[in-house]
Amino acid sequence: GQNIDQPTEMTATEGAIVQINCTYQTSGFNGLFWYQQHAGEAPTFLSYNVLDGLEEKGRFSSFLSRSKGYSYLLLKELQMKDSASYLCAAPFSGNTPLVFGKGTRLSVIA
Amino acid sequence: GAVVSQHPSWVICKSGTSVKIECRSLDFQATTMFWYRQFPKQSLMLMATSNEGSKATYEQGVEKDKFLINHASLTLSTLTVTSAHPEDSSFYICSARDYHTDTQYFGPGTRLTVL
Repeated sequence: GQNIDQPTEMTATEGAIVQINCTYQTSGFNGLFWYQQHAGEAPTFLSYNVLDGLEEKGRFSSFLSRSKGYSYLLLKELQMKDSASYLCAAPFSGNTPLVFGKGTRLSVIA
Repeated sequence: GAVVSQHPSWVICKSGTSVKIECRSLDFQATTMFWYRQFPKQSLMLMATSNEGSKATYEQGVEKDKFLINHASLTLSTLTVTSAHPEDSSFYICSARDYHTDTQYFGPGTRLTVL
């Protein structure tokens, strides 16, 4: 089976750090993706983890632990424009569509 | 990053008419493209997988005769909503998989409103 879980909503303060967790269960493993989606817009690609560990890309970092079926997206120095939904996704198997979590709606407050 | 375009970005049509949405991968070849639908405040729902040169694979509950998909080239897939009804009003988003990086990139979406 396949299942992707992430928190529904989170709130954080401008300038702070926030961690958005994602747990997944897929048949086999073919990478873990994070996307950002602002209201009314299509998702935009943030990161793709295949190997365990932390990958840093500017203010955003993504971590993966394949043995635990766990990933997180870390956002540093939060800005108001980071208010969006963050989608965790994984392909069910090699050549199949991504399965998306329901998304975590992040609100950044002053 | 890779670019996927969608046209039109929005469309308003009368009930009973058909609407065609185009999805293009601009700087990479996409043997596989995907069509999603998203209702307000809900998650993305996969409608179908479009494979170049072959028939699309539809998800359960999606009517293949209503949502016609054509993937005639490695850079273009089209979705035609036939005999549209108000309940078809939604945000339709395509994505294309970059074969070399295995990453899916999304188009900007098409907002369909059926009156």
